[in-house]
Amino acid sequence: EADIYQTPRYLVIGTGKKITLECSQTMGHDKMYWYQQDPGMELHLIHYSYGVNSTEKGDLSSESTVSRIRTEHFPLTLESARPSHTSQYLCASSEGVGVVKTYEQYFGPGTRLTVT
Amino acid sequence: KNQVEQSPQSLIILEGKNCTLQCNYTVSPFSNLRWYKQDTGRGPVSLTIMTFSENTKSNGRYTATLDADTKQSSLHITASQLSDSASYICVVSDRGSTLGRLYFGRGTQLTVWP
Repeated sequence: EADIYQTPRYLVIGTGKKITLECSQTMGHDKMYWYQQDPGMELHLIHYSYGVNSTEKGDLSSESTVSRIRTEHFPLTLESARPSHTSQYLCASSEGVGVVKTYEQYFGPGTRLTVT
Repeated sequence: KNQVEQSPQSLIILEGKNCTLQCNYTVSPFSNLRWYKQDTGRGPVSLTIMTFSENTKSNGRYTATLDADTKQSSLHITASQLSDSASYICVVSDRGSTLGRLYFGRGTQLTVWP
């Protein structure tokens, strides 16, 4: 099992609240990712990071923001939660980015967010 | 457009039986193809990774095949167990970007009945 952790696992929160989803890994990986997944649908990349102080937006537009102050930590923040943010959020990390060499992506257990 | 299509969408089999899941992709330029297993409420866990030069790879009762010419892959599960009930996701990586972009299929939901 991969050493990548997410908290909380489940969160039910009211509209307008600020929330932070935590993600940490102990593998020393430089590359970290946030995905959003709705039931029965594919994963969509919403944020990624190549390393400390590096953050980029992914393919799916998201109102969330991320930060990477430490290698092991990659939190995701929603300033004002809305029902449309209800989804599963998955964090992942990898040792490198595979163009010549293939790198595994390790996923955390996910956070199931429900905004009422 | 880079896409990954999986079939069937869902599948029910009896414990002990074999099954094969399909994946077709249009991702180009191709780098590698991965199969992940995702239990309900959990993150995906890697089963196999295959590069262009590999056409088969096994991981216990799981055997993946890849035909890079037809852009098709299959995942064969032998002697299914109740714990095999999960979503199986096909993921294709391209080598056209520095990110090593991953394209995800929607998964095949497998249910194994006793």
